[in-house]
Amino acid sequence: AQSVAQPEDQVNVAEGNPLTVKCTYSVSGNPYLFWYVQYPNRGLQFLLKYITGDNLVKGSYGFEAEFNKSQTSFHLKKPSALVSDSALYFCAVRVTSNAGNMLTFGGGTRLMVKP
Amino acid sequence: EPEVTQTPSHQVTQMGQEVILRCVPISNHLYFYWYRQILGQKVEFLVSFYNNEISEKSEIFDDQFSVERPDGSNFTLKIRSTKLEDSAMYFCASSELQGPYNEQFFGPGTRLTVL
Repeated sequence: AQSVAQPEDQVNVAEGNPLTVKCTYSVSGNPYLFWYVQYPNRGLQFLLKYITGDNLVKGSYGFEAEFNKSQTSFHLKKPSALVSDSALYFCAVRVTSNAGNMLTFGGGTRLMVKP
Repeated sequence: EPEVTQTPSHQVTQMGQEVILRCVPISNHLYFYWYRQILGQKVEFLVSFYNNEISEKSEIFDDQFSVERPDGSNFTLKIRSTKLEDSAMYFCASSELQGPYNEQFFGPGTRLTVL
């Protein structure tokens, strides 16, 4: 069975400082990893994904994530946080099944960026 | 930018009643999904649908649930006899292609409250 853990319920960071939102995963097989963001009253918005290749992937709004196979981690990062980055962030993993390719989500991390 | 839309945004129903949640996926997408999120818990996969068939379903998706694509644009989730524990946010998603590396696009969700 596949699983995703986001160890922090909330991350607080000052505007302009770097941010990291942590994610670890457990799968059998090759993982395909995703980050989604949820703003209030909105659906989950795709940020970035890791499929293969370069361990550092870049996504929307200046976010990036680093895939670390030995640590089974896929932490989300941004060099300089904005107040508008405050939202709920979800890490997700996908492994090919017979069909359908369901996403398994972590519990979410609330990012609070203070001015 | 095309979006997945869902109606209604909030549905209140009595226990034992049938509800239908509606979704309009992105127009050129061929793969459709339903997820749910009980308050304070993880986003959980319910079902995936392709070519007018269920391609994968989770343990949550029991006989009281059904999905349908009644026309070329809508994708519905029916709960035949709602229970208190069905209260959750229900998200519809779609993707253009199958394959574990293709991101899913999510709607804003329908909040279902069962009294």
